[in-house]
Amino acid sequence: NAGVTQTPKFRILKIGQSMTLQCTQDMNHNYMYWYRQDPGMGLKLIYYSVGAGITDKGEVPNGYNVSRSTTEDFPLRLELAAPSQTSVYFCASSYFVYEQYFGPGTRLTVT
Amino acid sequence: ELKVEQNPLFLSMQEGKNYTIYCNYSTTSDRLYWYRQDPGKSLESLFVLLSNGAVKQEGRLMASLDTKARLSTLHITAAVHDLSATYFCAVDEETSGSRLTFGEGTQLTVNP
Repeated sequence: NAGVTQTPKFRILKIGQSMTLQCTQDMNHNYMYWYRQDPGMGLKLIYYSVGAGITDKGEVPNGYNVSRSTTEDFPLRLELAAPSQTSVYFCASSYFVYEQYFGPGTRLTVT
Repeated sequence: ELKVEQNPLFLSMQEGKNYTIYCNYSTTSDRLYWYRQDPGKSLESLFVLLSNGAVKQEGRLMASLDTKARLSTLHITAAVHDLSATYFCAVDEETSGSRLTFGEGTQLTVNP
């Protein structure tokens, strides 16, 4: 199993541009999550999904959108990128409330 | 709003010593997780604690959960350099399926 994979690994965006961060898991987990981690901080939940077709906001959803059309994929869309969205983004998945498995992260810089 | 506080935030210790990291949280929950993160890397799951009184051990690390005190501890025994990393606790808000709130992390440095 590849586990949780994320693309791209690194990206530089200009202010106002948009992009989609991809996340795929091959563990047949029903729950998936997007977090952001700012330097020296813990992770903050952006959005999560408890199954295909179901998504909900986390602590910091503004400026982001998600969709979950399949069990495996959970893309995160950034619209109109702002410098405040410079961060490392982690996708994770879990089987219900058991441990979450994290992807390798996407390091995003908005200039 | 659920708050999760870890202390200390920075810990420098010598090899062979013991120490405890504390994780306090502000709401009722019996689901708490510990993760390890190496610099520039992703998070690795260490322990899943799913009930009051749960105790888990792996090598030199032992985690426990006291839901009545809203407190979890991560105890390090006879520290070695390889344990140098940042350790996060995360608490699940039970009302929302599975929705973790993370502490700020404890940056542990083990010196020879």
